[in-house]
Amino acid sequence: DTGVSQDPRHKITKRGQNVTFRCDPISEHNRLYWYRQTLGQGPEFLTYFQNEAQLEKSRLLSDRFSAERPKGSFSTLEIQRTEQGDSAMYLCASSLEQGWKYGYTFGSGTRLTVV
Amino acid sequence: KQEVTQIPAALSVPEGENLVLNCSFTDSAIYNLQWFRQDPGKGLTSLLLIQSSQREQTSGRLNASLDKSSGRSTLYIAASQPGDSATYLCAVKESGYSTLTFGKGTMLLVSP
Repeated sequence: DTGVSQDPRHKITKRGQNVTFRCDPISEHNRLYWYRQTLGQGPEFLTYFQNEAQLEKSRLLSDRFSAERPKGSFSTLEIQRTEQGDSAMYLCASSLEQGWKYGYTFGSGTRLTVV
Repeated sequence: KQEVTQIPAALSVPEGENLVLNCSFTDSAIYNLQWFRQDPGKGLTSLLLIQSSQREQTSGRLNASLDKSSGRSTLYIAASQPGDSATYLCAVKESGYSTLTFGKGTMLLVSP
């Protein structure tokens, strides 16, 4: 296993377009997290899944954002009607259910630029 | 609400110096604290994970300490190298929560 994979690495889109990002977690990790990081800030939590169930969503996740994790494997994060304020690095992480014990592994992120 | 603060925000040192990065958190009810490294435009690489019951963890030239009661952690980097230049982030995992709360990071520049 090569770790957490995210695709694409970079995405430039026009305002108002929809975009979708993909995350492939470490195969034995049943928890998957999405974070967003803007310039000069630490990552902020968006949502997380345990297996295929979405257990928590941050208030940062507006109605334009939707995340799925079908079959408890890879996950997608879709942003509809993108706005310039959505420009950020979107980070995916995964962990075992005992994330408190073993920590979290992050992917390389997807850099979104909305023009 | 947990708040994580990292001081300094930026640090520039000559190669070979030993240095300390600081992280403080407001709520001591944490499970663990994790230090990450982030290169420009890249994702996060985990450096060290300290459980709430531990006082320190070491990996190579890195040593992280945790004083849970006072809400503080330090990352000590020995004999710094230009390749250590990056942003260092600390994050806490709180009891009762499944997610991490991050600080804003310390941007480190080690010049040759």
